[in-house]
Amino acid sequence: DTAVSQTPKYLVTQMGNDKSIKCEQNLGHDTMYWYKQDSKKFLKIMFSYNNKELIINETVPNRFSPKSPDKAHLNLHINSLELGDSAVYFCASSEFNYGYTFGSGTRLTVV
Amino acid sequence: GQQVMQIPQYQHVQEGEDFTTYCNSSTTLSNIQWYKQRPGGHPVFLIQLVKSGEVKKQKRLTFQFGEAKKNSSLHITATQTTDVGTYFCAEGSGGSNYKLTFGKGTLLTVNP
Repeated sequence: DTAVSQTPKYLVTQMGNDKSIKCEQNLGHDTMYWYKQDSKKFLKIMFSYNNKELIINETVPNRFSPKSPDKAHLNLHINSLELGDSAVYFCASSEFNYGYTFGSGTRLTVV
Repeated sequence: GQQVMQIPQYQHVQEGEDFTTYCNSSTTLSNIQWYKQRPGGHPVFLIQLVKSGEVKKQKRLTFQFGEAKKNSSLHITATQTTDVGTYFCAEGSGGSNYKLTFGKGTLLTVNP
């Protein structure tokens, strides 16, 4: 069983489209995250959720809307996709103040 | 916000040589975490250091947290080709890991 699973693994879409990435964790963690990794491998936090509540919103454009229906799921919806949104998006989860478990990533390519 | 500077950016070694990556901050860190990301993979948590001067070992990997809690290092003894990847340090802002800020990573390549 995969601890943190995100789908899809790859996403190729045209500019202006809307897309969603789903994430689920079966570790029983209270906190989930979305990170963006750019082409230079820099990992930047986007959102943190604790028990379905938004804790951190790191100045992400409001075209990005996370949704946490329960503490095991954190989805990411992106409206009006732009070329600059191309990146690898990682979902992660953790116990409070401990290491993160990352999903395998979603490689988003906007053309 | 608080940032951790990581050096070197790249390191190429012959198999069997040692490798060290360093993480530095201008302010005191509450804790530091280390991750490894294989090419094409996702970051994998290695360890968390919390105490001043802490040293932890995992087989050939040695992790240190500075006495002033402003720097940390990861040392690999006798590298193997399986050690290839990018090593990241990360710190929790404001003492909480709700916002983990990552260094830019050190890419290690190993020549067999």
